[in-house]
Amino acid sequence: AQSVTQPDIHITVSEGASLELRCNYSYGATPYLFWYVQSPGQGLQLLLKYFSGDTLVQGIKGFEAEFKRSQSSFNLRKPSVHWSDAAEYFCAVGASREYGNKLVFGAGTILRVKS
Amino acid sequence: DAGVTQSPTHLIKTRGQHVTLRCSPISGHKSVSWYQQVLGQGPQFIFQYYEKEERGRGNFPDRFSARQFPNYSSELNVNALLLGDSALYLCASSLVSVSSYEQYFGPGTRLTVT
Repeated sequence: AQSVTQPDIHITVSEGASLELRCNYSYGATPYLFWYVQSPGQGLQLLLKYFSGDTLVQGIKGFEAEFKRSQSSFNLRKPSVHWSDAAEYFCAVGASREYGNKLVFGAGTILRVKS
Repeated sequence: DAGVTQSPTHLIKTRGQHVTLRCSPISGHKSVSWYQQVLGQGPQFIFQYYEKEERGRGNFPDRFSARQFPNYSSELNVNALLLGDSALYLCASSLVSVSSYEQYFGPGTRLTVT
């Protein structure tokens, strides 16, 4: 079965520092991979997606992610974090067709930004 | 352009009651999916609808049901509410059912069962 692991429940970084959020997935075929961000009490906003092609994908708000098939990873990065980036981040994989067009999410990583 | 809209924003119900949540997809999107997000966890897939038919179902009991209307809006119904049904219910829309996993989420409905 498809699964997503986000090893870090909480991460704290200083404003202006670089950020990397880890994501590992389990999926038999070529995955469709996503990162979403959720502010408190809000829905999910799509940051970026990987379907195929270039393994380094750019997203909104200065985020990027790199797909590494050999490591089954899709880590999210940002060179310089802003206080407004404090939120919860979810990695997700698009599951197989027989289950419908669903996304399987990790448990999330809460990002705290200190000034 | 309007994004995915959901109503109501918040809802408080008592155990054993029934609830109906509503969702309107982004204009042009024909597929709607529902997810349950319990506090401290990632969203869990409940249903996906396309062209008014159920296309996928997650591991949820039969107390959960949904439907999609000709205008592609959708309702999620939960019967015989349990305390464990307290969660944020998210609706997501996408362009095409079988080839697009790119889903756009609404703000959610916060359901509290007491």
